[in-house]
This record gives sequence, C-alpha cells and structure tokens, in this order.
Amino acid sequence: ETGVTQTPRHLVMGMTNKKSLKCEQHLGHNAMYWYKQSAKKPLELMFVYSLEERVENNSVPSRFSPECPNSSHLFLHLHTLQPEDSALYLCASSQDLGSSYEQYFGPGTRLTVT
Amino acid sequence: DAKTTQPNSMESNEEEPVHLPCNHSTISGTDYIHWYRQLPSQGPEYVIHGLTSNVNNRMASLAIAEDRKSSTLILHRATLRDAAVYYCILRDDRWANFGNEKLTFGTGTRLTIIP
Repeated sequence: ETGVTQTPRHLVMGMTNKKSLKCEQHLGHNAMYWYKQSAKKPLELMFVYSLEERVENNSVPSRFSPECPNSSHLFLHLHTLQPEDSALYLCASSQDLGSSYEQYFGPGTRLTVT
Repeated sequence: DAKTTQPNSMESNEEEPVHLPCNHSTISGTDYIHWYRQLPSQGPEYVIHGLTSNVNNRMASLAIAEDRKSSTLILHRATLRDAAVYYCILRDDRWANFGNEKLTFGTGTRLTIIP
C-alpha cells in the first residue's frame, strides 16, 4: 500500500449507530488531518494531529471524536450523528505542520446518515 | 488568508499544453502558492507549490510572476485524466507550527479536456 488509505469507502449509518472511520498513511509523515467536504460547501478542516498530539480542533461537535494512536493511523469515531453530517470525510497527511508542506489526501469515506 | 481569483472553467485539447491562471494581488511575503486538483468523486490531490521562484515537478510547472501577484499552473501535455477542478490557494507560513493548517479551497477552475 502506498499513500493515504481510508476505510470504509462508503458508509450508511442510522442516527443512533456508532461507527469509526480509519485512515492510514504509508508516507512516514508526522502530521495528519480530518476534513469534511459537503456538497456545494468549501472543504472544512476538522482536526489536526502532529506526532499523535491534537493541535487543532475547529469547533467540531462532540459527536465526532478523533483518535491518533500513532503517527501512521488516524480514526474518527462517530456517534449519534445527524443527517446534515452526511458528507465526504477526507483524511490527509503531511511531512510536518506548516504551509511549506503539501498535504496528501486519501480517497475519502462517503458517509450517509439516515 | 489572502484571496485568489481563478476562471470558473477552461477547455483544452488533449495532448496540448494548458495554462491555468491565478490572481492573488493581496499576497503577502510569507504566503506560499499551492495548487491542488480534485477529480470527480476523489479526494484532493497535491499538484505543486512555490514561494518566489518557478517550480517544476513530474506533474506540472508553476510560473510565478515577478511581483508574485499572479501565477500560472502549466500542464505540459494534457490528457483526459487531467480533467478536474484545479484550486490555487495561498498558505501563510507565519502560522507554521501554530495550528493554522487548513487548506481553504475557493471555487477553482473546472478544466475540461477535449479528445
């Protein structure tokens, strides 16, 4: 495997379910990110981790809970979501924090909340 | 972050060069110019970035104006797989390591490649 992988690619869940999204990067990067991309809305940064430590949380509701057990893996735990949370959830990684470093994205998980 | 302006759409013939313009007249001295693209139903893909000098990589070239108020992404020989929305964004290096890491995508340029 190369690059950034995400599983599952598609997920349908009810509002009372609990599920987790998984991201793995095979690039030896130190920083990882969760983004949300909704139809007709700009890309929204949700969480940033650097060396397994969360460095940014952009006022994301507590029904989204990130976890970074090591620098290669990132999870997004979901519980009691709302239909408006349906979106494409993207994971990305970069060598380090800072705008001189490019971010590499995974293919995303298409989430539908029913 | 300083804003960028791009044409909404462009068309190009396959196997011809494509020049995608981006205006950023309010760019600051610490802003990096990044280009990403997004193919349908896929995550964004990094293309190239630079600060002051022109840059080349295996995907494209980035030509930066001397006053840095505009830049051009050059695809040397467009293929059908280059059809995507291309985003030009500025990222302020003053915020490095202070958590302001978000990529702010505008509307971008939708590039159509004609076979």
